[in-house]
Amino acid sequence: EIVLTQSPATLSLSPGERATLSCRASQSISSYLAWYQHKPGQAPRLLIYDASNRATGIPARFSGSGSGTDFTLTVSSLEPEDFAVYYCQQRSNWPLTFGGGTKVEI
Amino acid sequence: QVQLVESGGGLVKPGGSLRLSCAASGFTFSDYYMGWIRQAPGRGLEWISYIGNSGSLINYADSVRGRFTISRDNARNSLFLQMNSLRAEDTALYYCARDLMGGRSSNWFDPWGQGTLVTVSS
Repeated sequence: EIVLTQSPATLSLSPGERATLSCRASQSISSYLAWYQHKPGQAPRLLIYDASNRATGIPARFSGSGSGTDFTLTVSSLEPEDFAVYYCQQRSNWPLTFGGGTKVEI
Repeated sequence: QVQLVESGGGLVKPGGSLRLSCAASGFTFSDYYMGWIRQAPGRGLEWISYIGNSGSLINYADSVRGRFTISRDNARNSLFLQMNSLRAEDTALYYCARDLMGGRSSNWFDPWGQGTLVTVSS
């Protein structure tokens, strides 16, 4: 099973600041990585797939990069609605696995 | 618009069974692969099962294989998860989710439903 390790566990930032979230895979997963945003009481939302492709309707301030084992989600300038938990997910191998999440808080 | 609505959660004793349903609308259900993902209290997301658009491709996480069965009824635009031999560690919010791509498997999930809560306790 591929283990995804996200860091940091918590990121404390202010609106307008840049957020940089990391996801590291236990083995190479090429570009088979996605990022999701999850707010309390809401359904998770796909932000990025195939490491760098924004999903439909996702603002341009969200960007993804990386390949192999190291991946980054960047939010260029945090909006109030961006404070949430972010998960990465790989589809390189079964079982599909998620990282433990990074909470972006004010 | 695309909508997924889960139902069937509740309180069940260890060893018991539950059947979750997911009603889909706003898209051609039979074109899309579907999945179930869960979130235990205070924990992260865990993928548990996936089914192809015709039901011929099925996969399970080791944690549920042999106890849970995924199925679908394309005529009724519905996805199901039959859960048997439930354990305390199966307590979670269960989400159904659609594959991102129609007609093939991408293994990315978009959108997701709001979830249905399953509590396994005596």
